[in-house]
Amino acid sequence: AQSVTQPDIHITVSEGASLELRCNYSYGATPYLFWYVQSPGQGLQLLLKYFSGDTLVQGIKGFEAEFKRSQSSFNLRKPSVHWSDAAEYFCAVGSGGYQKVTFGTGTKLQVIP
Amino acid sequence: ETGVTQTPRHLVMGMTNKKSLKCEQHLGHNAMYWYKQSAKKPLELMFVYSLEERVENNSVPSRFSPECPNSSHLFLHLHTLQPEDSALYLCASSQTTNEQFFGPGTRLTVL
Repeated sequence: AQSVTQPDIHITVSEGASLELRCNYSYGATPYLFWYVQSPGQGLQLLLKYFSGDTLVQGIKGFEAEFKRSQSSFNLRKPSVHWSDAAEYFCAVGSGGYQKVTFGTGTKLQVIP
Repeated sequence: ETGVTQTPRHLVMGMTNKKSLKCEQHLGHNAMYWYKQSAKKPLELMFVYSLEERVENNSVPSRFSPECPNSSHLFLHLHTLQPEDSALYLCASSQTTNEQFFGPGTRLTVL
């Protein structure tokens, strides 16, 4: 069965600092990987996705993520965080079909001045 | 309207009430989903409708009943809910790959 682990429940960074959110997955074949962001009271918005090809994926809002098969990881990065990035971030893994996308428990990002 | 819309955005209901949540997608997708999001728990997939086929999570209680009259509309009918059903209910849609587009959700409170 596929699974996703986000080991950090809560992260605090200073505005302008770099950010890395960790995501580890378990899946038998080549996974479909996603990062979503959720602002308070809102639905989830797709930041980026990895299906195949280049293992470094660029997304919206200046985010990127790197797929590392050997480490079963898909960490999200941003070189300089803005106060508007404060939100909850979810990593997800899918199988390529309609049915099964498994989400992590989320990492809540706080940005301090 | 664009994307995925959900109504109502907030709902308060008693345990004996019957209500329905509505979702509409304007993206031309052919699969729609209901998720439950509770505090400190992973997003829980409740139901999927794909090309008229319904797939459900067997752990979803029968007091939740989905309806998908066409590829653009999805309903979640609620009856005799429990306080632990209070949560954010999210609708999503997708086409082919797993990339799902989410609505803003309905915040449900059961008294």
